[in-house]
Amino acid sequence: GQQLNQSPQSMFIQEGEDVSMNCTSSSIFNTWLWYKQEPGEGPVLLIALYKAGELTSNGRLTAQFGITRKDSFLNISASIPSDVGIYFCAGQLRAGNNRKLIWGLGTSLAVNP
Amino acid sequence: NAGVMQNPRHLVRRRGQEARLRCSPMKGHSHVYWYRQLPEEGLKFMVYLQKENIIDESGMPKERFSAEFPKEGPSILRIQQVVRGDSAAYFCASSPGTGTDTEAFFGQGTRLTVV
Repeated sequence: GQQLNQSPQSMFIQEGEDVSMNCTSSSIFNTWLWYKQEPGEGPVLLIALYKAGELTSNGRLTAQFGITRKDSFLNISASIPSDVGIYFCAGQLRAGNNRKLIWGLGTSLAVNP
Repeated sequence: NAGVMQNPRHLVRRRGQEARLRCSPMKGHSHVYWYRQLPEEGLKFMVYLQKENIIDESGMPKERFSAEFPKEGPSILRIQQVVRGDSAAYFCASSPGTGTDTEAFFGQGTRLTVV
């Protein structure tokens, strides 16, 4: 099935460092979403992007919806230990009854205190 | 306001048995989505339901899998004659169905293990 290309697959950083991850697709979307998932839990929505070129922040998180509508990135500034988890991008086309989210494989983030 | 409730959290079934996974959406939410997640992978869409209607089941395997969202009660994902390959985490999400459906909230998932 359709899947997004998400990179990097994993990151191991020092506390205080900035982090950047991105997603690309061969198809266009009209919504990009970034989620965080912790072990044993469901995904939690971090940022939602609805317009091409849109740049949105949520605290230390910043995400952008690419102009081509085929890519997005997520930045985390000044990382802290509780940022540990798996970050997923997801794209949605929202055409007619199509509401499905297409997911990347995730970026696993480890933060060394 | 309770979040999306899924039960059971963990389910063990022998090959050939039936698995029933339940999802109670958030209060006021009429749209439900089911996703499957294999280890080390992202989520894969299975089905999108509104009350008493299946809207999009393009991600559902053609055999053994079914889903419903009755007028009253939780949404049910049913897997008949389970096989080892059905072992996965199954997540349910719900949304209000008005405004932006993107604001869907996920449950904690049911982890199915087939032995």
